[in-house]
Amino acid sequence: GQQVMQIPQYQHVQEGEDFTTYCNSSTTLSNIQWYKQRPGGHPVFLIQLVKSGEVKKQKRLTFQFGEAKKNSSLHITATQTTDVGTYFCAGLSMEYGNKLVFGAGTILRVKS
Amino acid sequence: EAGVVQSPRYKIIEKKQPVAFWCNPISGHNTLYWYRQNLGQGPELLIRYENEEAVDDSQLPKDRFSAERLKGVDSTLKIQPAELGDSAVYLCASSQTKGGITQYFGPGTRLTVL
Repeated sequence: GQQVMQIPQYQHVQEGEDFTTYCNSSTTLSNIQWYKQRPGGHPVFLIQLVKSGEVKKQKRLTFQFGEAKKNSSLHITATQTTDVGTYFCAGLSMEYGNKLVFGAGTILRVKS
Repeated sequence: EAGVVQSPRYKIIEKKQPVAFWCNPISGHNTLYWYRQNLGQGPELLIRYENEEAVDDSQLPKDRFSAERLKGVDSTLKIQPAELGDSAVYLCASSQTKGGITQYFGPGTRLTVL
């Protein structure tokens, strides 16, 4: 079954609204990475989280790693049209054979 | 610095035909990955190389898929014969070290099998 799950699958927001995507793993992760894929493009690395409870910020983006290292979230404050794309989390775990396992992604659309 | 290069960008073939994809990773990156991305899904690892050695090919359908990275730089991924279900985007990525360090993806090859 699917090992890394993301919700929601799709979100359509008004420009200026906030957006959050959630990632949940069936097993404890060594680390979690987030990628962004623009329509028609390829995944681009955003950030890696390693420590339990870690929070990192990149301008309007806030990334969080859960205390149990099994879940993560990405929050975008005041979305802009440039935020459009699919956001993937990818978890690394020994139980996954020490390879990155990607979630199915959350598609973000922003109405201007 | 040049990114990961892949060719071709698009390929349309009929089922049962062979097809090959080529990848040139970022210079100095020892680790190379081939992923398959189906529509609406995240990338799924097919094979990972550390230099010229395939260290993880557990997800590669070996009856029809093969890959090589002879000199530890460029890599090719081949499908023979292709099936309808192989239609997907094939992504190559590279990184400096194995495991969870940043992976840099190429633009991908979009394969359509008719």
